Amino acid sequence: AQSVSQHNHHVILSEAASLELGCNYSYGGTVNLFWYVQYPGQHLQLLLKYFSGDPLVKGIKGFEAEFIKSKFSFNLRKPSVQWSDTAEYFCAVMREYGNKLVFGAGTILRVKS
Amino acid sequence: GAGVSQSPRYKVAKRGQDVALRCDPISGHVSLFWYQQALGQGPEFLTYFQNEAQLDKSGLPSDRFFAERPEGSVSTLKIQRTQQEDSAVYLCASSSVGFVRGEQYFGPGTRLTVT
Repeated sequence: AQSVSQHNHHVILSEAASLELGCNYSYGGTVNLFWYVQYPGQHLQLLLKYFSGDPLVKGIKGFEAEFIKSKFSFNLRKPSVQWSDTAEYFCAVMREYGNKLVFGAGTILRVKS
Repeated sequence: GAGVSQSPRYKVAKRGQDVALRCDPISGHVSLFWYQQALGQGPEFLTYFQNEAQLDKSGLPSDRFFAERPEGSVSTLKIQRTQQEDSAVYLCASSSVGFVRGEQYFGPGTRLTVT
């Protein structure tokens, strides 16, 4: 069975600091990878996704993620966070041609202004 | 534009009661998913429909959980004889294509509290 591990449950940063949120998954086959974000009081929404090709994926709002197959990792990065990035971030994996997302436990990011 | 809607948004049930949670997917979306999110955890897959066919129900935790989508649009998740461990947020998501390459759009969830 697939599983997803997110290393930090809570992260607190000051505005303009750089962000990296770790995500590792366990599955030996081909996977599709996702980062979802949930802003306070809002629905889960897709931040970025990786299916194939360039392992460095760019998403909305200046976020990017790098897929490192040898490390089973898909870490999320942003060079300079803003107060509006305060949210909960979920990494998710789906096996190729699968139908269900397997989520990590989430990382709550608080950005201090 | 209309997104995925769920009702009720909050539900309090006494242990042993039956509940029904409704999901209205984005119009025309073929695929519909239900997830359960316990406090402090990520969403966990419950079941998946493609049109009216329930293609995967491997995540349903017990036979007290039942989902249907009879006309390939609105879906209902029913929980019989609710237990305290059923307390969670139930999320519905829909997608425009048959499988994975379509983005899953999530609804706001129904927060179920079993007392």
